[in-house]
Amino acid sequence: DSGVTQTPKHLITATGQRVTLRCSPRSGDLSVYWYQQSLDQGLQFLIQYYNGEERAKGNILERFSAQQFPDLHSELNLSSLELGDSALYFCASSASGRKNEQFFGPGTRLTVL
Amino acid sequence: AQTVTQSQPEMSVQEAETVTLSCTYDTSENNYYLFWYKQPPSRQMILVIRQEAYKQQNATENRFSVNFQKAAKSFSLKISDSQLGDTAMYFCAFMESGGSQGNLIFGKGTKLSVKP
Repeated sequence: DSGVTQTPKHLITATGQRVTLRCSPRSGDLSVYWYQQSLDQGLQFLIQYYNGEERAKGNILERFSAQQFPDLHSELNLSSLELGDSALYFCASSASGRKNEQFFGPGTRLTVL
Repeated sequence: AQTVTQSQPEMSVQEAETVTLSCTYDTSENNYYLFWYKQPPSRQMILVIRQEAYKQQNATENRFSVNFQKAAKSFSLKISDSQLGDTAMYFCAFMESGGSQGNLIFGKGTKLSVKP
């Protein structure tokens, strides 16, 4: 158990819908990272937050957005969902100054029908 | 842009034998981190081993060791005394060391099967 929690574990929805994925980092970790794992694109970095502020942005679509709240949990919002958004979405966290030690959550499996 | 290449989509090894997974990367940076992550059928991402580019000594974690060749931009993973529980996808990953951006860049992965 990495100490990072993600909810829900599985999510099935329809095209055009909007969903929110939630991540709670390890206790004390200020950085949260979101990654997408799909058959087409492999594992790719989406976005990073540090103590509530966006720190880095990767290949994140405009339909996707994220935020980190004062209690340090983070949410990834996916809207106008398409079939191609079906993927495993991971959240990871790291302590301040320890970006090279990221702990991954169990992931949320999103299926868009 | 940095890229990570894993040229072996699938590999298999007999239990108790040794196997080496290959990884090459491309970067113009002088200092960076390299990682091997394991993803078993449970889909959990587990850090296996980490190497800092400025360290010449190859990292070792129990049965797992790396062969880091900085000039060749090569970072292979050796698994000794393979066990059935080593069956998993293995991903090589790169991260710049400078700054606070911590985005990992992953290769496509190698599926390793350990056979009894």
